[in-house]
Order: sequence, then structure tokens, then C-alpha cells
Amino acid sequence: DAEITQSPRHKITETGRQVTLACHQTWNHNNMFWYRQDLGHGLRLIHYSYGVQDTNKGEVSDGYSVSRSNTEDLPLTLESAASSQTSVYFCASSDGAGGSEQYFGPGTRLTVT
Amino acid sequence: GQSLEQPSEVTAVEGAIVQINCTYQTSGFYGLSWYQQHDGGAPTFLSYNALDGLEETGRFSSFLSRSDSYGYLLLQELQMKDSASYFCAVDAGNMLTFGGGTRLMVKP
Repeated sequence: DAEITQSPRHKITETGRQVTLACHQTWNHNNMFWYRQDLGHGLRLIHYSYGVQDTNKGEVSDGYSVSRSNTEDLPLTLESAASSQTSVYFCASSDGAGGSEQYFGPGTRLTVT
Repeated sequence: GQSLEQPSEVTAVEGAIVQINCTYQTSGFYGLSWYQQHDGGAPTFLSYNALDGLEETGRFSSFLSRSDSYGYLLLQELQMKDSASYFCAVDAGNMLTFGGGTRLMVKP
């Protein structure tokens, strides 16, 4: 069965360190997205990609970067982790326009100390 | 940009009907989606309205009025397992902007 996975599921890191969160999907979807979820803010879009070599900034992209070298993977990098980046991070993918169902990964809980 | 408003919390009794409203302001609009998220879980897709009117999927229905920038999710025959957070999301092309979510508590 097709799926979308994230790793690690939990991560504790120190302020200033670089952190990379992995996202891998086997749906063969062109569109991939990274969101962060904090209490009271719902899901906020960080970066998204419409295909290989394509990346775009979302609503809260400062301090984050992504790269898309193949269809299956969209890793999210925190260049220099800050306590404000403590959050739950969700990766999602879809095969069509915005209204198309987005399939979400299980999430990564990141704590920056 | 986009902004969405939905109630933060709703409580209802098992077997009842509940309506979760969503109003939005957006510079680009293609449709309105709804997602469900149980505590500790990932969001899952419920419905999508691109046109005005009511879409029904089992116990869940979703309504859209583009002229009023308004939509709602209707849950019928509530079950305990429906206790979750519900998010409306504006489709602005190839991306979604989510509301803050409505936490639904279903009581016996």
C-alpha cells in the first residue's frame, strides 16, 4: 500500500544546531508540503513543492529550507534551530490541485532546548 | 492573503447533530476543504466544496456559499469517535490555508 512516512517521530535538539526532518511518500505524488502545528494556530504552511527541482516558500518559511531531488522525498532543514521552532511538523502530499486530498504523514515532534 | 475563522470548541451529545461554521477572507479562492484530526494523529481529508451547495458523504455533509464566504461541516448521528479537531482550509490553487480548528467533544 502507498504511504507517507516521516522520520524521526521525535527529536530533541539544542539551539543553534542544524536539523533535518525526512519525508518520504510512495504515492508518486507531484505535490509535497511541510506544515507546522502549534496549539491555537492550526496548520501553517512552511514550504511546498510541485515537482522535482521545484520549491516554494509558504507562510512561515524563515529559518527553514527544502530541496526536491526526486519525486518521493522532501526533506525539511532547520538551518539553526531556535526555541520558537519547537512544534509538531507534518509532511503531506497530493496528486492534483489544491482541493485534492492531501495525505499527511504521522508527524515529527521537535523540541529545541 | 487568507484568513479563516471557526469556533475554537463545540460540545454535543452522542446521537445529536452538530454544525461547525467557517468564514473566510481570501484573495484567491477555488474551494473549501475539511479535515479531521484526532489527538496525537495526523489530519485526514473529509470533504471538498468547489461549488455552492451541500455535499454529503455518509454522516458528514459540507456546505459552501461563495457569495457569503462561508461554509460549514455538518455531522449527524454523532458518535464518541467523532471527538476530534476539525479544520476548514481554503484552496488557493495548489496550496491550502488552514483555519485554527474546532475541537469537538462528544459526550455520552
